[in-house]
Order: sequence, then C-alpha cells, then structure tokens
Amino acid sequence: DVKVTQSSRYLVKRTGEKVFLECVQDMDHENMFWYRQDPGLGLRLIYFSYDVKMKEKGDIPEGYSVSREKKERFSLILESASTNQTSMYLCASRGTGVYYGYTFGSGTRLTVV
Amino acid sequence: GENVEQHPSTLSVQEGDSAVIKCTYSDSASNYFPWYKQELGKRPQLIIDIRSNVGEKKDQRIAVTLNKTAKHFSLHITETQPEDSAVYFCAASNEGSARQLTFGSGTQLTVLP
Repeated sequence: DVKVTQSSRYLVKRTGEKVFLECVQDMDHENMFWYRQDPGLGLRLIYFSYDVKMKEKGDIPEGYSVSREKKERFSLILESASTNQTSMYLCASRGTGVYYGYTFGSGTRLTVV
Repeated sequence: GENVEQHPSTLSVQEGDSAVIKCTYSDSASNYFPWYKQELGKRPQLIIDIRSNVGEKKDQRIAVTLNKTAKHFSLHITETQPEDSAVYFCAASNEGSARQLTFGSGTQLTVLP
C-alpha cells in the first residue's frame, strides 16, 4: 500500500509566521499535489509537482509556495500566514499512467490566529 | 481545462434504500473516472474507478456507470448502511491534463437509521 505521510495533524500558527507543511510518500511516485479543503468548496488545488524541482501552479497558488528537492518529499510553504489560510491541507501522490488515482495523506488542520 | 460538476450537494436516504450521485464532465478526452469517499475527519479514499472503455463497473454494493456520449457518470450505492455516511467526490482525468485529477464539489451522504 502506498503511504502518504503528512508531518503534522494539527498546527496552530500566528499571523505573519512562515509555515512549512511536509508530505512524504514511499512509493516512488512522480506526481505530488497539495490541496486545501474548506466546507462547501470541495478540494482546491494549490500546487503540484511532476518531478524533482518541478512545480506547477494550481487553481489557488496565491500566498503559497512549494519545494520538491527529493522525489519523495513535497513541501507547502506559507510565506506569511494569514487567517484566511486557516483550512485543512491535503497532500496526495499519484503514479505515472492515466489509470491511477490519488493516494491522500491524513491531512493537516492549520489554524492561523 | 476540465470541469466536473457533481449533484446533489447533500443527500439523505433511509437505511436500506439506494443512493445515486451524478457527475458531468466537460472534456471529451477524459478517460479515467475515480470516486472517493471521505469519512468525517479522515482522508479521502478511492472506492471505485472506471475507465472510458467500460460502461459499468460493480463492487459489492457500489457501482459506477459511464455515459461517454452524454459525458456523465454516476455512483450507485445499494442497500445503504449508516457507515456509508460520508462525503463522496467524483473526479476525471486524461493524459493531457498534466497528470492531475479534476474533482467535483462533493456530496454529503447521510444514511438515516
């Protein structure tokens, strides 16, 4: 079974802090994704990466950046956290090939105060 | 790009009844359609998927149907049980979509005892 591990289940940060959310997968997947999930808004794609050091903007990249220095690790960075970034953040990975679904991590519930 | 619409947003059924969730997609090149179930506080998990060369797929009490001409696909759950209560997401992808899934907005299914 593919495992996608997010380093923190719950985080509380102050406005203006720099926040790092870490995601690690153990199945050598090329593709990794960061989503945020808010009530009534479904899953919104922030950034994704299809190779080491490669990144692509998703639908809502403003206020976020990402880093992928190693294939198994994909980090989401909030340069200066704001209260409107309070949300559930989900990481996912996907193997190469059309007929693969995502495997999601357990999520990080981030609260910015 | 691809757009996936999902209906209804909420659905309540009596235990033992059937539930149907419908999705439409916009990109005729889409050829892979997974469904995810997200229980409260947990990660989304793949429950069933269908490829474009198949019209229907069943796995015990759940089934998915695909109508490529009309560009819609549906999830059918029979003999619903309280543990089926969750948020369900449909998704679509194709080889040209940069390896990402496009999700519907989700359906909150509640099975009433």
